Amino acid sequence: AQSVTQPDIHITVSEGASLELRCNYSYGATPYLFWYVQSPGQGLQLLLKYFSGDTLVQGIKGFEAEFKRSQSSFNLRKPSVHWSDAAEYFCAVGAASPGSTLTFGKGTMLLVSP
Amino acid sequence: GAVVSQHPSRVICKSGTSVKIECRSLDFQATTMFWYRQFPKQSLMLMATSNEGSKATYEQGVEKDKFLINHASLTLSTLTVTSAHPEDSSFYICSARGQWSLGYTFGSGTRLTVV
Repeated sequence: AQSVTQPDIHITVSEGASLELRCNYSYGATPYLFWYVQSPGQGLQLLLKYFSGDTLVQGIKGFEAEFKRSQSSFNLRKPSVHWSDAAEYFCAVGAASPGSTLTFGKGTMLLVSP
Repeated sequence: GAVVSQHPSRVICKSGTSVKIECRSLDFQATTMFWYRQFPKQSLMLMATSNEGSKATYEQGVEKDKFLINHASLTLSTLTVTSAHPEDSSFYICSARGQWSLGYTFGSGTRLTVV
């Protein structure tokens, strides 16, 4: 069974500082990996995704993530955090077949301090 | 890009009544739609998966007679919460995927409050 672990429930980062959110996955086949962001009371917005190819993927809002197969990780990074980045971040793993489901991690709440 | 419209965004209903939530794919054909439930400060829990023209597949523990899912067309899926009770109060989110798409597009969610 596939699973996603986000070990950090909360992370506080100073505005302007760098950010790394951790994500580890367990999946028996080639994983399709996603990072989503959710503001309170809102739906999910896709930040970036990895299907194949270059293991460093660029996303929106200055985010990037690196797929490391050997470590089963897909950590999200941003070099300089803005106050507007405060939100809940979810890592998810899926597969290629149309009916395959997404499995989400429990999420990491990012707090940005002034 | 792919857009999924979900409405209503908020609904308050009385206990015992039914509520319908709609999820529409605006610019693509959603061969598969997914319905999630999210409790406060928790992750998304998959409730069911539906393919156009077929019966939905429900996750273990989800009452199919209570949460009726219809996916009658390639652009519309509905979730009806029947005989709603206060414990059904939650945030419901749909997601859609096209036949040739590797991505999942999410609706903006519906906050259901049962009083």
